[in-house]
Amino acid sequence: DIQMTQSPSSLSASVGDRVTITCQASHDINNYLNWYQQKPGTAPKLLIYDTSNLETGVPSRFSGSGSGTFFTFTISSLQPEDIAIYYCQQYHNRPLTFGGGTKVEIK
Amino acid sequence: QVQLQESGPGLVKPSQTLSLTCTVSGDSISWGAYYWSWIRQLPGKGLECIGYIYTGGSPYYNPSLKSRLTIALDTSKNQLSLRLHSVTAADTAVYFCARSRIAAGEPHYFDSWGQGTLVTVSA
Repeated sequence: DIQMTQSPSSLSASVGDRVTITCQASHDINNYLNWYQQKPGTAPKLLIYDTSNLETGVPSRFSGSGSGTFFTFTISSLQPEDIAIYYCQQYHNRPLTFGGGTKVEIK
Repeated sequence: QVQLQESGPGLVKPSQTLSLTCTVSGDSISWGAYYWSWIRQLPGKGLECIGYIYTGGSPYYNPSLKSRLTIALDTSKNQLSLRLHSVTAADTAVYFCARSRIAAGEPHYFDSWGQGTLVTVSA
């Protein structure tokens, strides 16, 4: 299985701050990476697919980049409604696997 | 807009079979353009893709669960089902059904999810 390692596991930042999360794959996954946001008690929501493509309706403050084994997810200006856990997910190999998640909190 | 809704018992005894249904509305699972998937979230932990299926295809099962798992589609009811046999406490989780677009014959990204249902395995 391809292991997806997210860092940090949690972070605390102020409103308006730039927030960056990294996701490292145990094998080359090209750009076959998606990002999801999960708020408490709800299902994950797709934010970004294919590393850098914003899902329809997702605010432009969210972005993604990377290739191969190293990927980043950025919130350019953290908003109170962005409090959530963020997950990366690869679809290069079966089984599809998710990162362990990064919990984002407001300082 | 597609909607997915999981249903089934919230409590299952150890060694028994966990059975869940996902009812899809706003889209037809017969169309064959999507994978229909089960994903679970263990308590306080991350997400695990259990398996997926599309109309006209064979189901894929996560190897970690393959020997205990059955996933099927009922096109007459527009439903996806999950049966997990011989459950233990380690199978306690929130179970989600989700839709995934298909890319090169494989799931691409999960663009619609059910709200999830908590299943507890306990005597």
